[in-house]
Amino acid sequence: GAVVSQHPSWVICKSGTSVKIECRSLDFQATTMFWYRQFPKQSLMLMATSNEGSKATYEQGVEKDKFLINHASLTLSTLTVTSAHPEDSSFYICSASGLAGYEQYFGPGTRLTVT
Amino acid sequence: AQTVTQSQPEMSVQEAETVTLSCTYDTSESDYYLFWYKQPPSRQMILVIRQEAYKQQNATENRFSVNFQKAAKSFSLKISDSQLGDAAMYFCARGDDKIIFGKGTRLHILP
Repeated sequence: GAVVSQHPSWVICKSGTSVKIECRSLDFQATTMFWYRQFPKQSLMLMATSNEGSKATYEQGVEKDKFLINHASLTLSTLTVTSAHPEDSSFYICSASGLAGYEQYFGPGTRLTVT
Repeated sequence: AQTVTQSQPEMSVQEAETVTLSCTYDTSESDYYLFWYKQPPSRQMILVIRQEAYKQQNATENRFSVNFQKAAKSFSLKISDSQLGDAAMYFCARGDDKIIFGKGTRLHILP
């Protein structure tokens, strides 16, 4: 149980375009989903927290107009990187909580490369 | 800022031996959780062990155990009988409504 999927696992896009990453909780209802960014050989940095049906809460320094987060249902959250630039290239990981409240279950991550 | 500090960027241990990874944290909360996550080369985050701050008893999961010192805000991970499959990046994390990660310790297992 407690499986979280992400799609796509790897995406390449051209500079200036937008790309959407999906995060799904497959076997539980996720009241809260989290989006992280991880640069090579670095730790996970929390970007934002989203609750179903509410606006996402962004961490300091994260541009909310660039990283659009939608949590439309209890099993799906999406992250859209708008007008992507090469510096947005990174590994994006989502996680979901809802079972025990405090525990997060992580997706396998999405590697974004902007050319 | 509420932080999580892992002072060992890399560690090595001989297969079958025991290794301890260090972690200290800062928090003003009285109720929180502590975690150790493993990130292998696949980059999938795997929960190794968790500890509720209100529990004095140290958590144990098979070969993995923690030494939780609440007053000192210390939360170390001990891996016994190290196996080749334990080689990975290990992240210490503190959580309440969100999880904050340390910078990680890369663990090498020497055959």
